Amino acid sequence: DSGVTQTPKHLITATGQRVTLRCSPRSGDLSVYWYQQSLDQGLQFLIQYYNGEERAKGNILERFSAQQFPDLHSELNLSSLELGDSALYFCASSPDSSTDTQYFGPGTRLTVL
Amino acid sequence: QKEVEQDPGPLSVPEGAIVSLNCTYSNSAFQYFMWYRQYSRKGPELLMYTYSSGNKEDGRFTAQVDKSSKYISLFIRDSQPSDSATYLCAMSAPNLNFGNEKLTFGTGTRLTIIP
Repeated sequence: DSGVTQTPKHLITATGQRVTLRCSPRSGDLSVYWYQQSLDQGLQFLIQYYNGEERAKGNILERFSAQQFPDLHSELNLSSLELGDSALYFCASSPDSSTDTQYFGPGTRLTVL
Repeated sequence: QKEVEQDPGPLSVPEGAIVSLNCTYSNSAFQYFMWYRQYSRKGPELLMYTYSSGNKEDGRFTAQVDKSSKYISLFIRDSQPSDSATYLCAMSAPNLNFGNEKLTFGTGTRLTIIP
Protein backbone atom coordinates (compact mmCIF):
# COMPACT_ATOMS: atom_id res chain seq x y z
CA ASP A 1 0.00 0.00 0.00
CA SER A 2 1.59 3.28 -1.18
CA GLY A 3 -0.45 5.50 1.14
CA VAL A 4 -2.05 7.32 -1.81
CA THR A 5 -5.80 6.89 -2.02
CA GLN A 6 -8.07 7.43 -5.01
CA THR A 7 -11.82 7.42 -5.32
CA PRO A 8 -13.84 6.07 -6.94
CA LYS A 9 -12.27 2.79 -8.03
CA HIS A 10 -14.52 2.46 -11.04
CA LEU A 11 -16.64 4.96 -12.92
CA ILE A 12 -18.97 4.27 -15.79
CA THR A 13 -20.58 7.21 -17.54
CA ALA A 14 -21.89 8.37 -20.91
CA THR A 15 -20.38 10.56 -23.60
CA GLY A 16 -20.79 14.26 -22.97
CA GLN A 17 -20.91 13.88 -19.20
CA ARG A 18 -18.58 15.34 -16.56
CA VAL A 19 -16.85 13.42 -13.77
CA THR A 20 -14.57 14.22 -10.85
CA LEU A 21 -11.78 11.96 -9.66
CA ARG A 22 -10.35 12.45 -6.21
CA CYS A 23 -6.88 11.81 -4.80
CA SER A 24 -5.44 12.01 -1.30
CA PRO A 25 -1.62 12.05 -1.26
CA ARG A 26 0.60 10.30 1.28
CA SER A 27 0.77 12.07 4.60
CA GLY A 28 3.25 14.93 4.34
CA ASP A 29 3.63 14.83 0.54
CA LEU A 30 3.24 18.23 -1.10
CA SER A 31 3.19 17.28 -4.78
CA VAL A 32 0.37 15.53 -6.59
CA TYR A 33 0.58 14.23 -10.14
CA TRP A 34 -2.14 12.96 -12.45
CA TYR A 35 -1.54 10.37 -15.17
CA GLN A 36 -3.69 8.70 -17.80
CA GLN A 37 -2.93 5.11 -18.77
CA SER A 38 -4.43 3.56 -21.86
CA LEU A 39 -3.45 0.40 -23.73
CA ASP A 40 -2.08 2.16 -26.79
CA GLN A 41 -0.51 5.26 -25.18
CA GLY A 42 0.99 3.90 -22.00
CA LEU A 43 1.31 6.13 -18.94
CA GLN A 44 0.90 9.78 -19.91
CA PHE A 45 1.64 12.65 -17.54
CA LEU A 46 -1.25 15.11 -17.30
CA ILE A 47 -0.45 17.68 -14.62
CA GLN A 48 1.48 18.32 -11.38
CA TYR A 49 0.47 20.42 -8.40
CA TYR A 50 2.85 21.45 -5.65
CA ASN A 51 1.48 22.82 -2.39
CA GLY A 52 -1.68 24.09 -4.05
CA GLU A 53 -0.13 25.56 -7.18
CA GLU A 54 0.14 24.18 -10.67
CA ARG A 55 3.79 23.20 -11.25
CA ALA A 56 3.93 21.40 -14.58
CA LYS A 57 1.59 20.50 -17.39
CA GLY A 58 1.77 17.56 -19.73
CA ASN A 59 -0.60 16.26 -22.34
CA ILE A 60 -3.73 17.46 -20.60
CA LEU A 61 -6.72 18.27 -22.78
CA GLU A 62 -8.56 21.58 -22.39
CA ARG A 63 -11.66 19.59 -21.37
CA PHE A 64 -9.72 18.38 -18.33
CA SER A 65 -8.83 20.47 -15.30
CA ALA A 66 -7.40 19.83 -11.88
CA GLN A 67 -6.83 21.55 -8.59
CA GLN A 68 -5.12 20.92 -5.28
CA PHE A 69 -6.87 22.05 -2.13
CA PRO A 70 -5.40 23.52 1.10
CA ASP A 71 -5.54 20.08 2.75
CA LEU A 72 -3.42 18.88 -0.24
CA HIS A 73 -5.98 16.50 -1.71
CA SER A 74 -6.52 16.92 -5.42
CA GLU A 75 -9.36 16.54 -7.88
CA LEU A 76 -9.23 15.89 -11.61
CA ASN A 77 -12.28 17.08 -13.52
CA LEU A 78 -13.06 15.56 -16.90
CA SER A 79 -15.82 17.16 -18.96
CA SER A 80 -17.54 16.63 -22.32
CA LEU A 81 -16.37 13.05 -22.08
CA GLU A 82 -15.60 11.09 -25.24
CA LEU A 83 -15.20 7.37 -25.83
CA GLY A 84 -11.45 7.86 -26.12
CA ASP A 85 -11.24 9.17 -22.56
CA SER A 86 -11.84 5.65 -21.27
CA ALA A 87 -8.66 4.77 -19.40
CA LEU A 88 -7.06 4.25 -16.02
CA TYR A 89 -6.34 7.50 -14.23
CA PHE A 90 -3.58 7.43 -11.64
CA CYS A 91 -2.65 9.91 -9.02
CA ALA A 92 0.85 9.95 -7.55
CA SER A 93 2.45 12.00 -4.81
CA SER A 94 5.97 12.96 -3.79
CA PRO A 95 7.39 14.73 -0.74
CA ASP A 96 8.48 17.87 -2.60
CA SER A 97 8.56 19.33 -6.09
CA SER A 98 11.17 16.84 -7.30
CA THR A 99 9.60 14.27 -9.58
CA ASP A 100 12.01 11.36 -9.20
CA THR A 101 10.34 9.51 -6.33
CA GLN A 102 6.62 9.21 -6.90
CA TYR A 103 4.18 6.97 -5.07
CA PHE A 104 1.18 5.89 -7.10
CA GLY A 105 -2.38 5.31 -5.99
CA PRO A 106 -4.48 2.32 -7.09
CA GLY A 107 -6.11 4.25 -9.92
CA THR A 108 -9.62 5.02 -11.10
CA ARG A 109 -10.90 3.03 -14.07
CA LEU A 110 -13.10 5.28 -16.21
CA THR A 111 -15.37 3.77 -18.83
CA VAL A 112 -17.21 6.11 -21.18
CA LEU A 113 -20.10 4.48 -23.05
CA GLN B 1 9.54 8.80 -32.74
CA LYS B 2 8.75 8.46 -29.04
CA GLU B 3 11.18 9.92 -26.52
CA VAL B 4 11.35 6.58 -24.72
CA GLU B 5 11.05 3.24 -26.50
CA GLN B 6 10.34 -0.01 -24.70
CA ASP B 7 9.58 -3.42 -26.17
CA PRO B 8 6.03 -4.23 -25.00
CA GLY B 9 6.62 -7.98 -25.00
CA PRO B 10 5.00 -10.11 -23.78
CA LEU B 11 8.04 -11.88 -22.37
CA SER B 12 7.72 -15.35 -20.83
CA VAL B 13 10.63 -17.06 -19.09
CA PRO B 14 10.94 -20.11 -16.82
CA GLU B 15 11.33 -19.68 -13.08
CA GLY B 16 14.95 -19.16 -12.06
CA ALA B 17 16.01 -17.58 -15.35
CA ILE B 18 17.75 -14.22 -15.67
CA VAL B 19 15.47 -11.59 -17.17
CA SER B 20 16.70 -8.60 -19.14
CA LEU B 21 14.41 -5.64 -19.75
CA ASN B 22 15.49 -2.64 -21.78
CA CYS B 23 14.61 0.88 -22.84
CA THR B 24 16.16 3.29 -25.28
CA TYR B 25 15.69 7.03 -25.26
CA SER B 26 16.43 10.00 -27.47
CA ASN B 27 16.60 12.96 -25.04
CA SER B 28 20.23 13.42 -23.99
CA ALA B 29 19.08 15.70 -21.12
CA PHE B 30 17.69 12.75 -19.16
CA GLN B 31 19.73 12.24 -15.99
CA TYR B 32 17.40 10.33 -13.68
CA PHE B 33 16.30 6.81 -14.54
CA MET B 34 13.74 4.66 -12.82
CA TRP B 35 12.09 1.29 -13.14
CA TYR B 36 8.54 0.80 -11.94
CA ARG B 37 6.72 -2.50 -11.49
CA GLN B 38 2.98 -2.64 -12.07
CA TYR B 39 0.89 -5.64 -11.11
CA SER B 40 -2.41 -6.19 -12.86
CA ARG B 41 -5.09 -3.73 -11.71
CA LYS B 42 -2.63 -1.90 -9.43
CA GLY B 43 -0.70 1.34 -9.56
CA PRO B 44 3.00 1.38 -10.53
CA GLU B 45 5.50 1.02 -7.67
CA LEU B 46 9.05 2.32 -7.76
CA LEU B 47 11.55 -0.54 -8.02
CA MET B 48 14.90 1.04 -8.86
CA TYR B 49 16.26 4.58 -9.13
CA THR B 50 19.56 5.52 -10.77
CA TYR B 51 21.20 8.86 -11.31
CA SER B 52 23.30 9.29 -14.46
CA SER B 53 25.38 6.36 -15.77
CA GLY B 54 26.40 3.21 -13.95
CA ASN B 55 24.97 0.20 -12.17
CA LYS B 56 22.83 -0.15 -9.10
CA GLU B 57 22.03 -3.42 -7.38
CA ASP B 58 19.22 -4.20 -4.95
CA GLY B 59 18.78 -7.85 -4.06
CA ARG B 60 17.90 -9.78 -7.21
CA PHE B 61 17.52 -6.58 -9.25
CA THR B 62 20.25 -4.68 -11.10
CA ALA B 63 19.70 -1.46 -13.02
CA GLN B 64 22.21 -0.32 -15.63
CA VAL B 65 22.41 3.00 -17.41
CA ASP B 66 24.57 3.63 -20.48
CA LYS B 67 24.14 7.30 -21.32
CA SER B 68 26.54 7.14 -24.26
CA SER B 69 24.22 4.66 -25.96
CA LYS B 70 21.03 6.13 -24.46
CA TYR B 71 20.14 2.67 -23.21
CA ILE B 72 18.97 1.43 -19.82
CA SER B 73 18.44 -2.10 -18.57
CA LEU B 74 16.89 -3.93 -15.66
CA PHE B 75 18.13 -7.42 -14.83
CA ILE B 76 16.23 -9.80 -12.60
CA ARG B 77 18.19 -12.77 -11.26
CA ASP B 78 16.61 -16.00 -10.04
CA SER B 79 13.24 -14.87 -11.35
CA GLN B 80 10.16 -15.88 -9.37
CA PRO B 81 6.49 -16.22 -10.36
CA SER B 82 5.82 -13.22 -8.09
CA ASP B 83 7.94 -11.13 -10.50
CA SER B 84 5.23 -11.52 -13.14
CA ALA B 85 4.10 -7.96 -13.83
CA THR B 86 4.49 -5.11 -16.28
CA TYR B 87 7.78 -3.25 -15.93
CA LEU B 88 7.90 0.41 -16.93
CA CYS B 89 11.03 2.45 -17.39
CA ALA B 90 10.84 6.16 -16.61
CA MET B 91 13.26 9.03 -16.88
CA SER B 92 13.51 12.75 -16.30
CA ALA B 93 15.80 15.70 -16.91
CA PRO B 94 17.00 18.19 -14.28
CA ASN B 95 15.28 21.54 -13.99
CA LEU B 96 17.37 24.37 -12.56
CA ASN B 97 14.32 26.10 -11.11
CA PHE B 98 12.73 23.25 -9.23
CA GLY B 99 13.96 19.68 -8.96
CA ASN B 100 13.37 17.66 -12.08
CA GLU B 101 11.22 17.80 -15.15
CA LYS B 102 8.22 15.52 -15.52
CA LEU B 103 8.72 11.78 -15.75
CA THR B 104 8.54 10.27 -19.22
CA PHE B 105 7.52 6.62 -19.18
CA GLY B 106 8.07 3.77 -21.57
CA THR B 107 4.97 1.81 -22.57
CA GLY B 108 5.96 -1.12 -20.35
CA THR B 109 7.02 -4.74 -20.89
CA ARG B 110 4.66 -7.44 -19.72
CA LEU B 111 6.67 -10.22 -18.03
CA THR B 112 5.44 -13.69 -17.08
CA ILE B 113 7.57 -16.10 -15.03
CA ILE B 114 6.50 -19.67 -15.67
CA PRO B 115 6.73 -22.00 -12.61
